Amino acid sequence: ILNVEQSPQSLHVQEGDSTNFTCSFPSSNFYALHWYRWETAKSPEALFVMTLNGDEKKKGRISATLNTKEGYSYLYIKGSQPEDSATYLCALNSGYALNFGKGTSLLVTP
Amino acid sequence: ETGVTQTPRHLVMGMTNKKSLKCEQHLGHNAMYWYKQSAKKPLELMFVYNFKEQTENNSVPSRFSPECPNSSHLFLHLHTLQPEDSALYLCASSQGSAGDTQYFGPGTRLTVL
Repeated sequence: ILNVEQSPQSLHVQEGDSTNFTCSFPSSNFYALHWYRWETAKSPEALFVMTLNGDEKKKGRISATLNTKEGYSYLYIKGSQPEDSATYLCALNSGYALNFGKGTSLLVTP
Repeated sequence: ETGVTQTPRHLVMGMTNKKSLKCEQHLGHNAMYWYKQSAKKPLELMFVYNFKEQTENNSVPSRFSPECPNSSHLFLHLHTLQPEDSALYLCASSQGSAGDTQYFGPGTRLTVL
């Protein structure tokens, strides 16, 4: 089991604010990093899969970067909206298993 | 909708009961997974099936018994559970089992009395 850390644990921002959070992981035996978005009472939804050092991915207002050498990934949300409220999970894949962090819980209020 | 369904969505059972959780995926994937999420803990992998064969058993107690009759269906049979087994149980599937994006069901909220 690999230790995946996410910070902050929770975040409360106002509508229109931009925000970012961090996923840290052991840099050895890296295969891929996944980001998921999980709304309450729904299924976790895949956002990004990142494999290469320096990767940068974007989906609408959400983007992510990856640094495999130092073992971290950032997720950015530009102009947060109330519908962005969810828990954002990162997961490190080093073979068959996905090792999840505890997630960052984001609340966006109007 | 992710293409992965789970039933039931909620289950309350006593410690002497036997029950089963069901997962079905409509994505044509070859790998299926069971995860457990307890309060304030990360998602924990329990079992992995790849082409109906169990490839991972993450030190799960024998009171949890998985079954994968075909690539589309996955069951988790429960018996003699303990109150600390109360958690959200999530099923997922992926095309292959190494590095591919996993698609999750909505989970079964299990309460053991």
